[in-house]
Amino acid sequence: DQQVKQNSPSLSVQEGRISILNCDYTNSMFDYFLWYKKYPAEGPTFLISISSIKDKNEDGRFTVFLNKSAKHLSLHIVPSQPGDSAVYFCAANDNQGGKLIFGQGTELSVKP
Amino acid sequence: DTGVSQDPRHKITKRGQNVTFRCDPISEHNRLYWYRQTLGQGPEFLTYFQNEAQLEKSRLLSDRFSAERPKGSFSTLEIQRTEQGDSAMYLCASSFGRAEQYFGPGTRLTVT
Repeated sequence: DQQVKQNSPSLSVQEGRISILNCDYTNSMFDYFLWYKKYPAEGPTFLISISSIKDKNEDGRFTVFLNKSAKHLSLHIVPSQPGDSAVYFCAANDNQGGKLIFGQGTELSVKP
Repeated sequence: DTGVSQDPRHKITKRGQNVTFRCDPISEHNRLYWYRQTLGQGPEFLTYFQNEAQLEKSRLLSDRFSAERPKGSFSTLEIQRTEQGDSAMYLCASSFGRAEQYFGPGTRLTVT
């Protein structure tokens, strides 16, 4: 069972515009959510996180929104830059242990 | 500043051979995690340690897989009698408690 889902395998955006990446989850025990960025042949790089007690967290060009009632989170990147082109993973953690449950990833392409 | 390091970066082995991977976490981190990633999927949890104690193992982890973290510092992941289905990227991550996990560059395993 896929507890964390990223339904868009790919997204293409023009440089300078907003990129919105979406993620849905099914487990109501998840209380901590993270976004990672991955380039080919490298490990994932942590971007931003949010606790379930918040509905928004912002760090520079990156903002994560959490809608607990819809079990949905999104990552906004504005303005998008060509260097943002990568695969983005959302991940979730419950308070029972340490493991992260990852979505399948969305490949973002930012075109100049 | 040293991040998470993994060795080797690439490993090609014949089916039936044993392989061992090493992970050195960020020095002040008490938790160490192993994940596996195959093409088109997000990282999949295998096991994690808090200090030297192995706290959780995935049900997906067959008895051919074993991990150790003998002194609460580096960790090794051994795969015995490798199979072609073991071909994947093996990722190590570390964290301090439940904080965000930082990943190493991964070890790419190819079983021929």
